[in-house]
Amino acid sequence: EPEVTQTPSHQVTQMGQEVILRCVPISNHLYFYWYRQILGQKVEFLVSFYNNEISEKSEIFDDQFSVERPDGSNFTLKIRSTKLEDSAMYFCASRGGSSKNTEAFFGQGTRLTVV
Amino acid sequence: QKEVEQNSGPLSVPEGAIASLNCTYSDRGSQSFFWYRQYSGKSPELIMFIYSNGDKEDGRFTAQLNKASQYVSLLIRDSQPSDSATYLCAVSHGSSNTGKLIFGQGTTLQVKP
Repeated sequence: EPEVTQTPSHQVTQMGQEVILRCVPISNHLYFYWYRQILGQKVEFLVSFYNNEISEKSEIFDDQFSVERPDGSNFTLKIRSTKLEDSAMYFCASRGGSSKNTEAFFGQGTRLTVV
Repeated sequence: QKEVEQNSGPLSVPEGAIASLNCTYSDRGSQSFFWYRQYSGKSPELIMFIYSNGDKEDGRFTAQLNKASQYVSLLIRDSQPSDSATYLCAVSHGSSNTGKLIFGQGTTLQVKP
């Protein structure tokens, strides 16, 4: 069964360092997302990506964050200068179809720990 | 202002019972409604989605949607200990055409053997 895959599963980084979280969405899906979940809190939308550009971003997704689809399969989230409060689970999701109502499937997540 | 609200629980039911999980949302333009299951430390796993008013059944799961009341629920019949998890209600935002999801806090379900 097709699935969204994320690497690494756990990343520890020092405050101020740059991190890149990687995702391989389900093949032939068109819509890609990053969400995050701080421990004990709800899942929060960060950014959506379609047709090689950002289609929507939340207030959380400030200038420190960027996304890229460098090739036909990978979808990355970069945090330029990490802060302690960036520690969270980061989930990539993808959705197929042309309708915004089709369901999104999530990767297993990357746990980011900023020390 | 919270957009998607759920009772955080825990909701405790005996094995074999029906578990009823509820969710309300504030955006009347919301069009799509999803239930995800999340085990501790894991990612959300899609259980069901519903777009139209009424009931939708899939195995032991039934999703119910009432757009007039801005209410969506999930019933789990014949609950099993393996159903113990946090259930996340997610709504596709009505004013967004990107399909982004707004999640509730989640309800923790405990099924006791």
